[in-house]
Amino acid sequence: AQSVAQPEDQVNVAEGNPLTVKCTYSVSGNPYLFWYVQYPNRGLQFLLKYITGDNLVKGSYGFEAEFNKSQTSFHLKKPSALVSDSALYFCAVRDPRHTSGTYKYIFGTGTRLKVLA
Amino acid sequence: GAVVSQHPSRVICKSGTSVKIECRSLDFQATTMFWYRQFPKQSLMLMATSNEGSKATYEQGVEKDKFLINHASLTLSTLTVTSAHPEDSSFYICSARDPWGGLREQFFGPGTRLTVL
Repeated sequence: AQSVAQPEDQVNVAEGNPLTVKCTYSVSGNPYLFWYVQYPNRGLQFLLKYITGDNLVKGSYGFEAEFNKSQTSFHLKKPSALVSDSALYFCAVRDPRHTSGTYKYIFGTGTRLKVLA
Repeated sequence: GAVVSQHPSRVICKSGTSVKIECRSLDFQATTMFWYRQFPKQSLMLMATSNEGSKATYEQGVEKDKFLINHASLTLSTLTVTSAHPEDSSFYICSARDPWGGLREQFFGPGTRLTVL
């Protein structure tokens, strides 16, 4: 069964410090991987996506993520955190095979990032 | 970029009544729309996949007679929570697939918070 794990419920980091939000996945084949951010009472905003190619993917708002096939991980990173980055972050996976319903996403449980001033 | 709206953003209703939530793609035609439910401090759970002009495909455990989905056009899908009960209180999020959306694939609405008294 396909699954996504975000092992940390919350990550605290000081403003200006680098941040990492962890994600591991269990999917057969070569999945598409995503990161989304959610602010309170809002929908999800797209940050970045990995399909193939370079393992380091750059996304919106200075975020990047590193795909590691051997560790089946797709950790989200940012070199210097801002207080405004405080939000809920979701990792998601999609099966790229073109069969019925393949555009379904499986989301991780989310990690709350708190950046302290 | 593509925009997805939801209406209403918040709704409070009495137990036993039915509530309709609309999801619209404002500047693109969505071949597929998805409905998610999000409980407090939990991930998004896919409820159903909706294709224009055909019956929705419901995920296991989701009552199709309870959560009626109508995808009447390429820009509108509705979710009706019938005979709502307090346990149906949740944050409901839709997403719309833009086949020309490139990397983003799906665009998420801002969500609807349903409170059933």
